[in-house]
Amino acid sequence: GQNIDQPTEMTATEGAIVQINCTYQTSGFNGLFWYQQHAGEAPTFLSYNVLDGLEEKGRFSSFLSRSKGYSYLLLKELQMKDSASYLCAVSADSGGYQKVTFGTGTKLQVIP
Amino acid sequence: DAGVIQSPRHEVTEMGQEVTLRCKPISGHNSLFWYRQTMMRGLELLIYFNNNVPIDDSGMPEDRFSAKMPNASFSTLKIQPSEPRDSAVYFCASSQHSSGANVLTFGAGSRLTVL
Repeated sequence: GQNIDQPTEMTATEGAIVQINCTYQTSGFNGLFWYQQHAGEAPTFLSYNVLDGLEEKGRFSSFLSRSKGYSYLLLKELQMKDSASYLCAVSADSGGYQKVTFGTGTKLQVIP
Repeated sequence: DAGVIQSPRHEVTEMGQEVTLRCKPISGHNSLFWYRQTMMRGLELLIYFNNNVPIDDSGMPEDRFSAKMPNASFSTLKIQPSEPRDSAVYFCASSQHSSGANVLTFGAGSRLTVL
């Protein structure tokens, strides 16, 4: 099975930087995703890491350490619209197919 | 592309009634996933299909739940009989399964309330 842990809630100030951590335990690991979900909406894809290191995409960056089972999502220059839940998801091999399992999500509140 | 299309968007029903949720994946995607989301448990994977074949249904809660994918453009999730604890948002997602990232595109979800 898979075990994915991330903080339930975080609060950060507009214009600041926030780091959302995710730890996981799984067998057959083949990638880690971050999704953003605004209240009442569907999750949308933010980033994907399969190799160790940092992937940067505009104000958002994602880091992965496979040996530690650890990832983080870094949001810079926070904007009010970044208030949302951020879901860490792990892809693992399941009989030759990729099974994607989500953590419970981190609800981020950006305050003025 | 219109994206992943789910219906109905909202359903309110009484305990014991049958509920059928529908999903049309993105054309060309060969994998389809059904998830259930609640405040307590987050996004739970119920079942996923590859090329219309069910691959893993270990997340289906019990025999009251069933899912089908008769062709590449349509899937259903059925609950019979429904119970209040089934109240949740049900998401369908599709992807193009390949050797690279299995990026999921989600539908808008079906919010189910069982009274």
